[in-house]
Amino acid sequence: QKEVEQDPGPLSVPEGAIVSLNCTYSNSAFQYFMWYRQYSRKGPELLMYTYSSGNKEDGRFTAQVDKSSKYISLFIRDSQPSDSATYLCAMSVGGSARQLTFGSGTQLTVLP
Amino acid sequence: DAEITQSPRHKITETGRQVTLACHQTWNHNNMFWYRQDLGHGLRLIHYSYGVQDTNKGEVSDGYSVSRSNTEDLPLTLESAASSQTSVYFCASSEGLVGDTQYFGPGTRLTVL
Repeated sequence: QKEVEQDPGPLSVPEGAIVSLNCTYSNSAFQYFMWYRQYSRKGPELLMYTYSSGNKEDGRFTAQVDKSSKYISLFIRDSQPSDSATYLCAMSVGGSARQLTFGSGTQLTVLP
Repeated sequence: DAEITQSPRHKITETGRQVTLACHQTWNHNNMFWYRQDLGHGLRLIHYSYGVQDTNKGEVSDGYSVSRSNTEDLPLTLESAASSQTSVYFCASSEGLVGDTQYFGPGTRLTVL
């Protein structure tokens, strides 16, 4: 079993929809949780970063962490075609700048 | 502007050959990482370094090696390339502070025939 599980999709939604992306994990030592966005043939870029449990909001994006359930989510409100990308969750024991364990990524397409 | 670059961007090689992928960052970051990305597996850590002369094995290090002789560079060497090493390779760097992000390079697409 992988340490981090992520539904690979693909996920296709109409413009303006609310998107929910999720990951589950098995290592209870993970303390730092991240979401990266990766456009086709590009390197990943950090989208959201959360320490421990709770919610964090940044514009149209909200990250949630539930450590008791070992479950993290990323919500995208009012989705746009420019949000079409692969979204990777990542987790770390020692901080976001240290070793990261990634999910397999969810490919999202937002249709105009 | 500071950046992280990888070369070559595309490489085709034959089984058994030694291959070196270059990674260069101009942020003066202490931490550098090599990942490979394959369908269904996401990004998997190959090797990482927290400073000059420091190297550590990641999840999928067999068949790969790295050396860190200066802050800016972390070359990745495939000692004897195998078809299973056909992948997209990403280099990343970070400053090392808690809460800091890893900055990724554009990737190298390697095909081993």
